[in-house]
Amino acid sequence: AQKVTQAQTEISVVEKEDVTLDCVYETRDTTYYLFWYKQPPSGELVFLIRRNSFDEQNEISGRYSWNFQKSTSSFNFTITASQVVDSAVYFCALSEDFQKLVFGTGTRLLVSP
Amino acid sequence: EPEVTQTPSHQVTQMGQEVILRCVPISNHLYFYWYRQILGQKVEFLVSFYNNEISEKSEIFDDQFSVERPDGSNFTLKIRSTKLEDSAMYFCATVVLAGGHNEQFFGPGTRLTVL
Repeated sequence: AQKVTQAQTEISVVEKEDVTLDCVYETRDTTYYLFWYKQPPSGELVFLIRRNSFDEQNEISGRYSWNFQKSTSSFNFTITASQVVDSAVYFCALSEDFQKLVFGTGTRLLVSP
Repeated sequence: EPEVTQTPSHQVTQMGQEVILRCVPISNHLYFYWYRQILGQKVEFLVSFYNNEISEKSEIFDDQFSVERPDGSNFTLKIRSTKLEDSAMYFCATVVLAGGHNEQFFGPGTRLTVL
């Protein structure tokens, strides 16, 4: 069975702080995909990243970086120098080989000026 | 860049009424999904659709729900007799196999309010 756990319900930081959002997943498949989505107050789901299970390289995109560790079944997301516009709910999700996405419960990030 | 579109953006209905939520997938996409997000909760899978039939459905997707592609382009979710607890955001998602990778595209969602 697939499962995604985001243990942090809400995180509050002050602008320019770095923040890491945790994601732990469970799957029996050897081929799977991991995702992060951002959901701003307007409600849409904004795709941030997809990583397949065979690619453990960390990725950096501007202020965003992702750390994928199969040994600990984790796919953590770090925002460097956070900004007020980063305030949103962030979801981690898992898909087993072109199947449905299973989402975590989300982490609400509040960045104050 | 191609987008998945959904109509309406917001639907208000009375309990017991039928609603149809519409999604226009990106043209070369083959897999279609509906997800539901009750306010403040996580996004939950409802149903997947491939080759004009349901390929998987969750336990949420009971007999009051149905999906179809009536004209080969739109992908619809019908709720036959709405309940208060059906109030949620409904997202359509479509998938294309791009280079062997699972490219997921979500529509902007339809907010359904059942009174």
